[in-house]
Amino acid sequence: DGGITQSPKYLFRKEGQNVTLSCEQNLNHDAMYWYRQDPGQGLRLIYYSQIVNDFQKGDIAEGYSVSREKKESFPLTVTSAQKNPTAFYLCASSIGWQPGTEAFFGQGTRLTVV
Amino acid sequence: QKEVEQDPGPLSVPEGAIVSLNCTYSNSAFQYFMWYRQYSRKGPELLMYTYSSGNKEDGRFTAQVDKSSKYISLFIRDSQPSDSATYLCAMSALNSGYALNFGKGTSLLVTP
Repeated sequence: DGGITQSPKYLFRKEGQNVTLSCEQNLNHDAMYWYRQDPGQGLRLIYYSQIVNDFQKGDIAEGYSVSREKKESFPLTVTSAQKNPTAFYLCASSIGWQPGTEAFFGQGTRLTVV
Repeated sequence: QKEVEQDPGPLSVPEGAIVSLNCTYSNSAFQYFMWYRQYSRKGPELLMYTYSSGNKEDGRFTAQVDKSSKYISLFIRDSQPSDSATYLCAMSALNSGYALNFGKGTSLLVTP
């Protein structure tokens, strides 16, 4: 089945630790995105990548890092510098960067800092 | 002022009712308008997509865009309990690539 796989579904982290969220897609999409969703909030863009080996900061990139070494993979690292990391993280991909292109979302990772 | 405003609800309706969900926006450059449906603890899925002004119908769902009023709507006819979800509007401008601006989402509950 084609789609986007995020893992793990639930993740607990101690304060001061870095943690990496996985996102893999087999849709052969060029563009990939990471969003953060907080209760009562819309999705906010953290990072995006239009093509392999290239990525750009979104609206709330501070405290996060990404890599795009392979077309199908776009892992997100939540660093200890992120002041309020507890949230629902969504990865998405689209066939291109053109406006109006449909984005397909993964099922999300719920990160809780304990 | 946020670029996209959406009433978070919750909105509760009886089964069979017509549901109206709305978003307003401030950026006149927005030309692509989307509605996503998100079930609890799941990722959003694209429901409707319209370009510029006008109406688009797909089964029980109708999307309307009024660019002069900067107002978009999603209508659900003959609502079903399975329509219970959060509905997110999203929009993008021609000069911003894919970057989507999302509303906060409206929580809908359709009761049997």
